[in-house]
Amino acid sequence: KAGVTQTPRYLIKTRGQQVTLSCSPISGHRSVSWYQQTPGQGLQFLFEYFSETQRNKGNFPGRFSGRQFSNSRSEMNVSTLELGDSALYLCASSSYGTGKETQYFGPGTRLLVL
Amino acid sequence: QKEVEQNSGPLSVPEGAIASLNCTYSDRGSQSFFWYRQYSGKSPELIMSIYSNGDKEDGRFTAQLNKASQYVSLLIRDSQPSDSATYLCAVNGGYQKVTFGIGTKLQVIP
Repeated sequence: KAGVTQTPRYLIKTRGQQVTLSCSPISGHRSVSWYQQTPGQGLQFLFEYFSETQRNKGNFPGRFSGRQFSNSRSEMNVSTLELGDSALYLCASSSYGTGKETQYFGPGTRLLVL
Repeated sequence: QKEVEQNSGPLSVPEGAIASLNCTYSDRGSQSFFWYRQYSGKSPELIMSIYSNGDKEDGRFTAQLNKASQYVSLLIRDSQPSDSATYLCAVNGGYQKVTFGIGTKLQVIP
């Protein structure tokens, strides 16, 4: 089975721009979660989608948004980029997102905001 | 604010020794607990999950959970240089709303 894939792997943007990141979960997985990882804050939960519905959201501003498609692929969007948005963005998938399942992480998208 | 606390380290242990990694959490309603390993430049990978009080063993790894003390630990026996990585404690409060600790960097010295 193919693992979680994320595109692009690296991205450089300037302040004020917007960016869209993509995540394809493991085949059959319906839950997709997004995380931001920075050296100072560690891994922080952004949001979780299941069957095209956002079920949970972390403490991030409204500039961070996401969606999930009927094939479980997910995208996250960050508008009006700030320098502090520079981070590794990870997505993780699981079968149903019950909380007891293993989450499988993708390789991440490294975003640099200049 | 629901938090997961870990000592960021580094924790240095000699090869063959037992490495002990600790984690405390604040949300008493948490039900699922995980330990992930993350090598530098890589994404986290799950090494242990635990849901009930007590010990759970898997090879050289033992996870321990004490819900009354809100404490989770990971023991790595016979530590190897390949175990050198950052170990992330994660707590799930429901529907994959997972809170991660900052991670403990483990260095196994040959």
